[in-house]
Amino acid sequence: KNEVEQSPQNLTAQEGEFITINCSYSVGISALHWLQQHPGGGIVSLFMLSSGKKKHGRLIATINIQEKHSSLHITASHPRDSAVYICAVGGLQGGSEKLVFGKGTKLTVNP
Amino acid sequence: SAVISQKPSRDICQRGTSLTIQCQVDSQVTMMFWYRQQPGQSLTLIATANQGSEATYESGFVIDKFPISRPNLTFSTLTVSNMSPEDSSIYLCSARNTGELFFGEGSRLTVL
Repeated sequence: KNEVEQSPQNLTAQEGEFITINCSYSVGISALHWLQQHPGGGIVSLFMLSSGKKKHGRLIATINIQEKHSSLHITASHPRDSAVYICAVGGLQGGSEKLVFGKGTKLTVNP
Repeated sequence: SAVISQKPSRDICQRGTSLTIQCQVDSQVTMMFWYRQQPGQSLTLIATANQGSEATYESGFVIDKFPISRPNLTFSTLTVSNMSPEDSSIYLCSARNTGELFFGEGSRLTVL
């Protein structure tokens, strides 16, 4: 069982819709990362969170440490937001910092 | 911030051959990593590339199959040796500075 679970696995939306992607984790963490992977394979880091909420443009990320849950929101979605969104959590394992990745949420935004 | 250039971006290889992937960072970074992403799967860490010493491999990955070099703080290579179709994946170089993550564009390998 993956220690990082994302939902939904696939999401299709119409342009302009508000999008929410969820991430739940079971391990103790030092930070949580939201990543965006484009069809070509390249990955861009969107947010690094250890508490609270961060906003960058139309993207908002929140984390609830007690509930071990994070959400990524996209406001006024656009076709260019179509990508795979990956949640990754970092924590100490075996004495070193390790990242555990979710399987990703594939988002398709239709015009 | 750091920008990572990775090449080749894609390649089609014959079974039994080896391919070296290069990763160049535009600034010095403390930690560099190599990941594999098989079709439909999440990222799996192959190894941590250590500057000036042998890489630290994760369970299931060995140096003979995935030799890694890191001669300085901005450059690393990953070689996929004696390739088989099961090695068809995206290979990603990553760096970390003060917790922030950076990734290359990935190298999509297809082994025939």
